[in-house]
Amino acid sequence: EDQVTQSPEALRLQEGESSSLNCSYTVSGLRGLFWYRQDPGKGPEFLFTLYSAGEEKEKERLKATLTKKESFLHITAPKPEDSATYLCAVSQSSSNTGKLIFGQGTTLQVKP
Amino acid sequence: GAVVSQHPSRVICKSGTSVKIECRSLDFQATTMFWYRQFPKKSLMLMATSNEGSKATYEQGVEKDKFLINHASLTLSTLTVTSAHPEDSSFYICSAPRARMAEAFFGQGTRLTVV
Repeated sequence: EDQVTQSPEALRLQEGESSSLNCSYTVSGLRGLFWYRQDPGKGPEFLFTLYSAGEEKEKERLKATLTKKESFLHITAPKPEDSATYLCAVSQSSSNTGKLIFGQGTTLQVKP
Repeated sequence: GAVVSQHPSRVICKSGTSVKIECRSLDFQATTMFWYRQFPKKSLMLMATSNEGSKATYEQGVEKDKFLINHASLTLSTLTVTSAHPEDSSFYICSAPRARMAEAFFGQGTRLTVV
């Protein structure tokens, strides 16, 4: 069964304390892996797309990496404004619509 | 700026009435849009895939007669919650991929409260 699992479920960091969020996936043919950020009461905001193992992408304090089984979202020296829920999703090569399978998310809280 | 716009952001309706939610792609055409439902502190649950010019594809367990989807143009999909009941209260979100197999952009979401 195709599945996306994120860990940890919740993460509390002090401002400046770097850490990583994990997204493990089992899917029959990965077309792409996506990271989104969601603030309370808002729709998800697109962050990154990764297509192949070994690929890395960066944006400000965030860096996403991909292996054949998992993806990591590294947060370097986080600030309180990085507090949000981070969602990981995959699309399958067998899907012709771009349908996404989401993980349950990691809620990050960064304290000043 | 937002590339997918969803309206309204909040709606309160009486039990038994119907509510329509709109999802528009602002600067691209979307032959496919997706509708999700999100429960508090939970991830997104795909309800249906909206296809321009044809019938929507519903996920297992989603009542197609309760959640009517219309994708009449390449930039607009609508979700109508018919005969709403309190258990339909939820956060509904739409998304559209900019291109086939590309990343999907999400609307701002609609908080539906049925009283």
